[in-house]
Amino acid sequence: QVQLVQSGAEVKRPGSSAKVSCKASGGTFGSYSLTWVRQAPGQGLEWMGKIIPMLGTTAYAPKFQDRLTISADKSTNTAYMELNSLTLDDTAIYYCARGTLTAVGGGWFDPWGQGTLVTVSS
Amino acid sequence: QSALTQPPSASGSPGQSVTISCSGTDSDVGVYNYVSWYQQHPGKAPKLIIREVSQRPSGIPARFSGSKSGNTASLTVSGLQAEDEAGYYCCSYGGSDNFLFGGGTKLTVL
Repeated sequence: QVQLVQSGAEVKRPGSSAKVSCKASGGTFGSYSLTWVRQAPGQGLEWMGKIIPMLGTTAYAPKFQDRLTISADKSTNTAYMELNSLTLDDTAIYYCARGTLTAVGGGWFDPWGQGTLVTVSS
Repeated sequence: QSALTQPPSASGSPGQSVTISCSGTDSDVGVYNYVSWYQQHPGKAPKLIIREVSQRPSGIPARFSGSKSGNTASLTVSGLQAEDEAGYYCCSYGGSDNFLFGGGTKLTVL
């Protein structure tokens, strides 16, 4: 049973970048996508983007298109989320989750990583 | 695209049933059957409880059920139990490799 294990909490300055990793433990990414979702303190879930590691293709939510990069290393079954030009509003828990691949692009997310808190503070 | 619309809160007594709505548009919920629901307890990661509108993953109790009518999806929790107290989020595929989440509903078991 695949588990997703994320890197530890980070504290960043405004204007800097944060890079969070997500490693598949007990399996591989296989024929799945890997999605990133964030949750600001006391707020709801927000889909950020995804990668299909097998193909290397990515898709980003319009809101993050200009400053988000999602990548994956198939040899280590690890995915990465890098968010640039951080502001105080980027303070959130960042989750990775495995997504299904379907003919039309939709799907669902299961399992989820434990989450990584990124705090942006001056 | 805007987030899906959920009521911020819902409540019920043990043993009762509660339904949480998730309103979208004819560009997301209304056109795709990729509506999923997630349960999130405080301090924990979300957990998939319903996929493809009404399918329960292995290990999810039958007390959880999902449905869809037009642009609105619904999650029903029957026979409420104390451990059902949590946040619940709907998610829909929005086309063009994009997904939308609802704002979340906090379910209180009275």
